[in-house]
Amino acid sequence: GAGVSQSPRYKVTKRGQDVALRCDPISGHVSLYWYRQALGQGPEFLTYFNYEAQQDKSGLPNDRFSAERPEGSISTLTIQRTEQRDSAMYRCASIGGANTGELFFGEGSRLTVL
Amino acid sequence: GEDVEQSLFLSVREGDSSVINCTYTDSSSTYLYWYKQEPGAGLQLLTYIFSNMDMKQDQRLTVLLNKKDKHLSLRIADTQTGDSAIYFCAESTHNAGNMLTFGGGTRLMVKP
Repeated sequence: GAGVSQSPRYKVTKRGQDVALRCDPISGHVSLYWYRQALGQGPEFLTYFNYEAQQDKSGLPNDRFSAERPEGSISTLTIQRTEQRDSAMYRCASIGGANTGELFFGEGSRLTVL
Repeated sequence: GEDVEQSLFLSVREGDSSVINCTYTDSSSTYLYWYKQEPGAGLQLLTYIFSNMDMKQDQRLTVLLNKKDKHLSLRIADTQTGDSAIYFCAESTHNAGNMLTFGGGTRLMVKP
């Protein structure tokens, strides 16, 4: 697509439910990143993929968080048994060229856990 | 780990210059970036500078890098009301998969 697309844009869920957030990167972009941004803070790295391979998941807060990119394109970030502290904006980004690190961000998925 | 710090808030009058400052701790940073975030929108890359440069100019934007002091600044000339946004400084290291570490953001308010 023309840009990085994320869905849903807004998600409200009850504590304990599982949520899945989707990212459709720019067509042909090799690398895909997930970030989390709490209100009033900068984005924090969660995980990233090159093609379908998860290269680094050191930023995932705990084992309730997982991500996949099975065909090297669309990615899903899953949060199991959500907690109120998971409420944040989840941002996806993709990158085409490897040198400059110019990430193209989607508009984000705002998750609210009640 | 790496740390990127920014002041929280800056207010300027329309037509004045804005200078947003950032400090970072990772001496192996390869690239340094400025991103802009407007309400309801994604993060937009404004400009970036390679760590072996000390200045980069792009229209109204000037980036200055003091690598010795690990200090980065973004100057916006002739600031307009449309420049009101949150500006994030970020750094990456080439051998770290282009993973960006962001500062907390500086909210720029431009008064007419």
